[in-house]
Amino acid sequence: SQTIHQWPATLVQPVGSPLSLECTVEGTSNPNLYWYRQAAGRGLQLLFYSVGIGQISSEVPQNLSASRPQDRQFILSSKKLLLSDSGFYLCAWSENRPTMADTQYFGPGTRLTVL
Amino acid sequence: SQKIEQNSEALNIQEGKTATLTCNYTNYSPAYLQWYRQDPGRGPVFLLLIRENEKEKRKERLKVTFDTTLKQSLFHITASQPADSATYLCALLNTNAGKSTFGDGTTLTVKP
Repeated sequence: SQTIHQWPATLVQPVGSPLSLECTVEGTSNPNLYWYRQAAGRGLQLLFYSVGIGQISSEVPQNLSASRPQDRQFILSSKKLLLSDSGFYLCAWSENRPTMADTQYFGPGTRLTVL
Repeated sequence: SQKIEQNSEALNIQEGKTATLTCNYTNYSPAYLQWYRQDPGRGPVFLLLIRENEKEKRKERLKVTFDTTLKQSLFHITASQPADSATYLCALLNTNAGKSTFGDGTTLTVKP
C-alpha cells in the first residue's frame, strides 16, 4: 500500500533563516506531487505541483521554491523565511494517469512557525 | 473568474440529525467532484468521488449529489455523530485539467 511521509512535524524558525521540508511517497511510481499551505482556519493554498522529476509548476509567486530530485521525493525550500511563511504545510500525491480523477492523498503536515 | 464556494458559516447540528453541506462553483466544467474530511492539525482524507454523469453517490451514512445545471454538489451525513465533527472540503477537477482545485471548507460540529 502507499504511504506518504513528511518531516519535520513541527518547526520553529527565526525570520531570515533557510527552510527545507521533505516529503516522500512509498508504494507508487511517477506520482503527481503537491505542496499546499494552510493558514489557521483557512483553506488549502496550492504552492507547487509536479508531474515528474525536475518538472515543477509554481502557483503563487513567493520566496519559496520546490524541487523533485527523485521520483518520489518532493522538497520545499526557502533561502530566507518571512513571518508570513508561517502555516501548516501539506504534501500530497495522486496517480499520474489521465483517466484518474486526481484523488489526492495527504501527508501528516508540518506546522511551521516563523518568529 | 473561477470560484468554489462552500457554506460560509460553520454548521452546528444535533446528534442524530442529517448534516447537509453545500459546494457551489462558477466557471468550471468539472469532470469529477470530490469530498474530503480534515480534522484539526491533520491532512485532508478522501471520502467520496462523483463523476459529471452521476447524480448521486452513497457510502454508508454519506451521500453526495451533483447537479451540473445548478453547478452545485450537496454532501449529506445522515444520523450524524459527534465523531463526524470536522472540516469538509470539496474539490473539482476540470475536464482536461491536470489537478484539482479545493474549496475553503465548511466546519461541522455535531453536538451530543
